[in-house]
Amino acid sequence: AQTVTQSQPEMSVQEAETVTLSCTYDTSENNYYLFWYKQPPSRQMILVIRQEAYKQQNATENRFSVNFQKAAKSFSLKISDSQLGDTAMYFCAPMAGTASKLTFGTGTRLQVTL
Amino acid sequence: DAGITQSPRHKVTETGTPVTLRCHQTENHRYMYWYRQDPGHGLRLIHYSYGVKDTDKGEVSDGYSVSRSKTEDFLLTLESATSSQTSVYFCAISDQDSTLEDEKLFFGSGTQLSVL
Repeated sequence: AQTVTQSQPEMSVQEAETVTLSCTYDTSENNYYLFWYKQPPSRQMILVIRQEAYKQQNATENRFSVNFQKAAKSFSLKISDSQLGDTAMYFCAPMAGTASKLTFGTGTRLQVTL
Repeated sequence: DAGITQSPRHKVTETGTPVTLRCHQTENHRYMYWYRQDPGHGLRLIHYSYGVKDTDKGEVSDGYSVSRSKTEDFLLTLESATSSQTSVYFCAISDQDSTLEDEKLFFGSGTQLSVL
């Protein structure tokens, strides 16, 4: 079984600034993947970024990057040059074992302000 | 965008009535999932399918059943709806047979179910 902790229920950041969302997880698997999904007010679940646990290099996708610390089981998301469209709920989710099942954290609500 | 359609988008029903939610995909993906989303809980897995007629339980499967008679359709049934099943339900698909580099889940737009 996997557990996920997102310790920041809500965060706020000004436009153009940088913000980091934290996530810790626990899994007994050796091979797994880690994801960040965003959920804007439209309710759609949108994949932000993906990290393979066997890769030491941190994943990046444009303004989004992760800080993956495997030994500490930590997987934080950094958003650079925040934009109003980044306002959303962000979920951390590891994927392990068969059947590609995701386990979600409780989410961090991010508000980007002017 | 992945071709996933959930129906209905909204539904209001009464306690004790049966409810079926439908998920339809056009991607021919092998794996399909039903999640529910509730405040304070994130998304939790109800059931999943790894092929036609092949299904298994997730962490919150009590009170729910599923069926998959065709690759493209995955149905979630509440045999006798209760107020605790008021939630947003998401369907997701994954092609685990793709390269591991590409493995990921794509989600439908969700169904808001209210049980009165």
